[in-house]
Amino acid sequence: AQKITQTQPGMFVQEKEAVTLDCTYDTSDPSYGLFWYKQPSSGEMIFLIYQGSYDQQNATEGRYSLNFQKARKSANLVISASQLGDSAMYFCAILSYNFNKFYFGSGTKLNVKP
Amino acid sequence: GAVVSQHPSRVICKSGTSVKIECRSLDFQATTMFWYRQFPKQSLMLMATSNEGSKATYEQGVEKDKFLINHASLTLSTLTVTSAHPEDSSFYICSARVRQGTDTQYFGPGTRLTVL
Repeated sequence: AQKITQTQPGMFVQEKEAVTLDCTYDTSDPSYGLFWYKQPSSGEMIFLIYQGSYDQQNATEGRYSLNFQKARKSANLVISASQLGDSAMYFCAILSYNFNKFYFGSGTKLNVKP
Repeated sequence: GAVVSQHPSRVICKSGTSVKIECRSLDFQATTMFWYRQFPKQSLMLMATSNEGSKATYEQGVEKDKFLINHASLTLSTLTVTSAHPEDSSFYICSARVRQGTDTQYFGPGTRLTVL
């Protein structure tokens, strides 16, 4: 079975500061993918970053980086230099290659304060 | 990133009618598309996995006869909510999986269904 846990229902961060959104997972798949998506109030889901389970290096995409600790089964998202436009819901997800589907966490609502 | 369109973006219908939602991958071929449902302030709930040319795989608890899914081509999947009732009111989102590179799924903009 696959499970994604996001323990922070809501977070505040000051503009221009960095913030870490937590994500832990549980899976029986030998290989899997980890993803983060952003959902603004408009509702669209925006792909942010991907980490493969066999990737040695942590993924980075611009201001987003994924702190992947495989032994601890965590895949935290780090957003550097927060901007007001970063205020949104953030979802962590795992792709099960065995079952060919994604499992989502419950989400973290991030508010960036000016 | 890849572009997925979804139509309509918003629909209001009377109870008992059927509503069709289209999901298209605009610049790539998607062998797999997913349909999700999202209630306010909640996460996405996978309803079904749609594979081109074969029957959809429904998640436990999702009524196949209520939510008809057709994946007619590599760029189009449709979800039909049959005999809609107010409890079917929700935000429905489709996604298409890209089987290369990051292997991620790209989402459509969603359809907000309101059943009166």
